[in-house]
Amino acid sequence: AQSVSQHNHHVILSEAASLELGCNYSYGGTVNLFWYVQYPGQHLQLLLKYFSGDPLVKGIKGFEAEFIKSKFSFNLRKPSVQWSDTAEYFCAVIYTGGFKTIFGAGTRLFVKA
Amino acid sequence: NAGVTQTPKFQVLKTGQSMTLQCAQDMNHNSMYWYRQDPGMGLRLIYYSASEGTTDKGEVPNGYNVSRLNKREFSLRLESAAPSQTSVYFCASSEARRTSSYEQYFGPGTRLTVT
Repeated sequence: AQSVSQHNHHVILSEAASLELGCNYSYGGTVNLFWYVQYPGQHLQLLLKYFSGDPLVKGIKGFEAEFIKSKFSFNLRKPSVQWSDTAEYFCAVIYTGGFKTIFGAGTRLFVKA
Repeated sequence: NAGVTQTPKFQVLKTGQSMTLQCAQDMNHNSMYWYRQDPGMGLRLIYYSASEGTTDKGEVPNGYNVSRLNKREFSLRLESAAPSQTSVYFCASSEARRTSSYEQYFGPGTRLTVT
C-alpha cells in the first residue's frame, strides 16, 4: 500500500538550532511531494513542494527540502529555527495520475525561546 | 477570494444524532476532499470528489456520506454520530492536474465532539 512515514513524532529544539525532519514514501512511480505546516489553531498551508526539476526545493520562511529518488525521501530542513516555527509539519505525496494525496502522521515541532 | 470555507467551526453532537458539514471553494477547482485529523494519525482521507458529479471513498469512509452539490460545494454527512467520529474535519480542494502540481488548499476545519 502507498504510504508516507515521518520519522519523528515530536521534536523539541532551542532557537537557532538546525532542523531536519525525515520523510520517506513507498515506491509507486512518479511522485509529487509536499510539506504542509499547521500553526497552532490554524489550518494546513503549503510550505513547499517538489514537482520536477531541481531536487533541492526552497519554500517559505527559510525552509528547504531535498528529494532523493534513490532513497524515496523528501527531508525538510531549516538552518536556524525560530520560536515562530512551532507547528505541526506534514509530509505528503501524490502519485502522478492519481487524485489522492497521502499524508504522513505529522511531526510536532516545539521551539524553545 | 475566500478560498475554502467550512461551516460550522465547532459542533457537539450526542451519539446517534446526524449532521452535515458544509464546504465551499471559490477557486474553480475540480477536485475536493474531506479529511479527518486525529492526534498521531495525520490526515486520513474520508471521501473525495475528483470532479463535479463524481465521489469516491477514501481511507476511512465508514459512517459518512458525501454530496458534491456543484463544482463549488462538497458536503459531508454523519447519519448517526458515534464517539469514534470525534475529530477535526478538514475540507480541501485542488486543481488535481499535473500542471498545477496537485497542491491542496485547506479550509479552517470543523472541530466535532460526539458525546
